Amino acid sequence: DAGVTQSPTHLIKTRGQQVTLRCSPKSGHDTVSWYQQALGQGPQFIFQYYEEEERQRGNFPDRFSGHQFPNYSSELNVNALLLGDSALYLCASSFEVFHEQFFGPGTRLTVL
Amino acid sequence: AQSVAQPEDQVNVAEGNPLTVKCTYSVSGNPYLFWYVQYPNRGLQFLLKYITGDNLVKGSYGFEAEFNKSQTSFHLKKPSALVSDSALYFCAVRDPNSGNTPLVFGKGTRLSVIA
Repeated sequence: DAGVTQSPTHLIKTRGQQVTLRCSPKSGHDTVSWYQQALGQGPQFIFQYYEEEERQRGNFPDRFSGHQFPNYSSELNVNALLLGDSALYLCASSFEVFHEQFFGPGTRLTVL
Repeated sequence: AQSVAQPEDQVNVAEGNPLTVKCTYSVSGNPYLFWYVQYPNRGLQFLLKYITGDNLVKGSYGFEAEFNKSQTSFHLKKPSALVSDSALYFCAVRDPNSGNTPLVFGKGTRLSVIA
C-alpha cells in the first residue's frame, strides 16, 4: 500500500515564475491538505481539499491556489514566486477531514 | 484561536535514559492532540494521537504521551532513548468544536540522543 507521494522532490525557480506541485493521497483517503514548512519552523496550513472543493484555507495569499481531482489527487499552484516562498511543501492526506493526517516526503522549492 | 507551544528548541539525552519532549496547547474546547516526527529531508511521520479516553496514549516506536487537561499539556515520553530517535518532533492540535479546523503545529523540538 503506497503512502502519500509527492512530485517533484526538488524544484528550483526564479522570482516571478509559476510552479505546480503534485500529491497523490494514501489509498483510501479522500482529503488532502497542503502545508508550507519554512526552514526551522513548523508546518503552516495552506489549504485543504475534500470532494474536489477547497474546504478550509490558511493565511496565504491568492497566489497560492489548488485543485483536487476525482481520483483525490491534488495540485498546489503558486504564481509570481517570491524569495520567501522557498520552503518544503508538504501534502497530507486523511480519510475525511477529522482523522489523523499522513504526510508525504515533501517538495523542496527554492526560489532564486 | 488554537495554538501550540513547544518551549524547548533542543533536548539532549543520553542513550538509554528516559526522554521527555514538552508541549502545551490552547484551544477553546476539548482538543485533538498529535505528535509527529520528522527525519532529515523527510516528511512528517505520525507517532500518536489523543482524541478522548485514557490520558496516557501509546504510539509508535515505544513513544507515549500523557494528556493533562488541567495543565493543558501533552508531553511526549519514552522510557529508554535510542540514538535512532534523534529527529525533529512536532506537536499539533485541532479544535474539533470549531468546525473544520486544520492542524496547528508547534515550532518543533530537536531531540539529540547521544551514545
